[in-house]
This record gives sequence, C-alpha cells and structure tokens, in this order.
Amino acid sequence: DAGVTQSPTHLIKTRGQQVTLRCSPKSGHDTVSWYQQALGQGPQFIFQYYEEEERQRGNFPDRFSGHQFPNYSSELNVNALLLGDSALYLCASSLQGVPAYEQYFGPGTRLTVT
Amino acid sequence: RKEVEQDPGPFNVPEGATVAFNCTYSNSASQSFFWYRQDCRKEPKLLMSVYSSGNEDGRFTAQLNRASQYISLLIRDSKLSDSATYLCVVNPRSTPLVFGKGTRLSVIA
Repeated sequence: DAGVTQSPTHLIKTRGQQVTLRCSPKSGHDTVSWYQQALGQGPQFIFQYYEEEERQRGNFPDRFSGHQFPNYSSELNVNALLLGDSALYLCASSLQGVPAYEQYFGPGTRLTVT
Repeated sequence: RKEVEQDPGPFNVPEGATVAFNCTYSNSASQSFFWYRQDCRKEPKLLMSVYSSGNEDGRFTAQLNRASQYISLLIRDSKLSDSATYLCVVNPRSTPLVFGKGTRLSVIA
C-alpha cells in the first residue's frame, strides 16, 4: 500500500516563473492538504482540498492555487515565484472528517527559487 | 505573538541525558495538542498526542497545562536515534494543524 507520494523531489526555478507540484494521496484517502515549510520554520498550512474544492485556506496570497482531481490526487501551483517561495512543500492526505492529526505527510518537494 | 512558540534550541546533549522541550500557545480555544518529530530533510511524523492528564510512551512523556497554555515533552535516557527536530503542534477547533518552529535535538555519543 503506497503512502503519500509527491513529485518532483527537487525543483529549481527562477524568479517570476510558475511551478506545479503534484501529490498522490494514500490509498483510500479523499482529502489533501498542502503545507509550506521554509528553512528553520515549522510547516505552514496553505490550503485543503476535498471533493475537488478548496475547503480551507491559510494566509497565503492568490499566487498559490491548487486543484484536486476525481482520483483525489492534487496539484499546487505557484505563479510569479519569489525568492521567499523557496521551501519544502509538503502534501498530507487524510479521510474527510477524521481529526487533523490523522493525516499522513508525503516526503515533500524541495523548491529552490533563484 | 506567534500562535505556537517553542524553545529555540538547538539542544546538544550526551547519550543517556534527560532533555525537556517547552512550548506555549496563544489560542485558548485550542483543543488538541501533539508533538511531531521531523528528521533532517524528511516529512514530520506524529510522535505523540498530549493530554491534560499527561501521557507517557516509553522514554517520552508529554504534559499539557491548559491554564498556562503550556505543553512539554520530556525525553529520558536519550539515544543517538532521538536526534531530530521536535515540533509542537496545536489544533484549534475546525482548523488545520498549527506548527511551532521546532526545536532541534542532537544527541552526542
């Protein structure tokens, strides 16, 4: 049983570019949350998707957008990249309605913006 | 004031030592509390939940003081394998997890 998978593992982009990160949830999970973890910081919640809709959103600008597909996989898109967007992006999956701590994190995508 | 604040660390301790991490939270409506462990360049993983009555899991003891809005984690008989970053996490009602910045622990032989 595969856990949460994310792609790519690492990514280097230039300021102003756009990036798309991908996440496949753990088998049987229907909810995907995205977090940003800057160096030396804890993960910060970006948004959560369930039934292909954004259900909750953290304090992130509109440059951050997402999508969930019918198979529950999800994408995180970031437009007009800034140097400050360099971080580890974590995807977490869960079943809707379970406590927030019952979510499984993927290994993350490390994004470097130069 | 940040929602969750932790000791800045890093903590460098010898094997066998006892080490304590402290954490405070600002949202008095918070309902659930946890400690997560994150190894270098890996994803965070749930270490243990924290209850007002205190809970213990082997060498690890977690404690919650709701009146002071304070959470602690005690690690006894530290092992080299305990070296990691420990994240204090709070879950206010109907909101996602709120993570502290984490405290890095290095256990030295």
